[in-house]
Amino acid sequence: DTEVTQTPKHLVMGMTNKKSLKCEQHMGHRAMYWYKQKAKKPPELMFVYSYEKLSINESVPSRFSPECPNSSLLNLHLHALQPEDSALYLCASSWDREGNTEAFFGQGTRLTVV
Amino acid sequence: GENVEQHPSTLSVQEGDSAVIKCTYSDSASNYFPWYKQELGKGPQLIIDIRSNVGEKKDQRIAVTLNKTAKHFSLHITETQPEDSAVYFCSGGTGNQFYFGTGTSLTVIP
Repeated sequence: DTEVTQTPKHLVMGMTNKKSLKCEQHMGHRAMYWYKQKAKKPPELMFVYSYEKLSINESVPSRFSPECPNSSLLNLHLHALQPEDSALYLCASSWDREGNTEAFFGQGTRLTVV
Repeated sequence: GENVEQHPSTLSVQEGDSAVIKCTYSDSASNYFPWYKQELGKGPQLIIDIRSNVGEKKDQRIAVTLNKTAKHFSLHITETQPEDSAVYFCSGGTGNQFYFGTGTSLTVIP
């Protein structure tokens, strides 16, 4: 199983809503990532978890709150988002050891904030 | 963080011709350089990668070269096919921290 599964595939939310994006992998990877991708742009790194601990936060606004409940799951909690936060949110995972960091991406959640 | 630049932004080639995409990076500490292919509506998929202790790597029709001194690396696709049409991203970094280039939209004309 070399799959990273993201749910939901599409999400429309209002600016006052609270929602969560979910990501799951069963490859035994110990590093998990959230990226944000706007149309016709490259993915931008948001957060990295290593062994279930947040290791990198790329100065992401607090309205995005990541959570790693266990080694297979990664969530992104959303609250009070702005329309400009509309984007494709990608989750990825990889082994967390030097020399073996090939990252596998999910298909993404397309988020629209209205 | 790392700054990765990528050229060209768009590339059209005839089927069977070769395609070359070039990237430069800024952080001399970067030691891992994966290339991703992204098709419409899908997540990026790793197609080839290279580490800083290697100058060249090949996998069938795809090859990547790395020049650490000049801090640039390139993707070469030979005998292109219509199914190679997609957006290609180079990436560079260390450990778990990777940054993407701006992307190249490749169109292979049958």
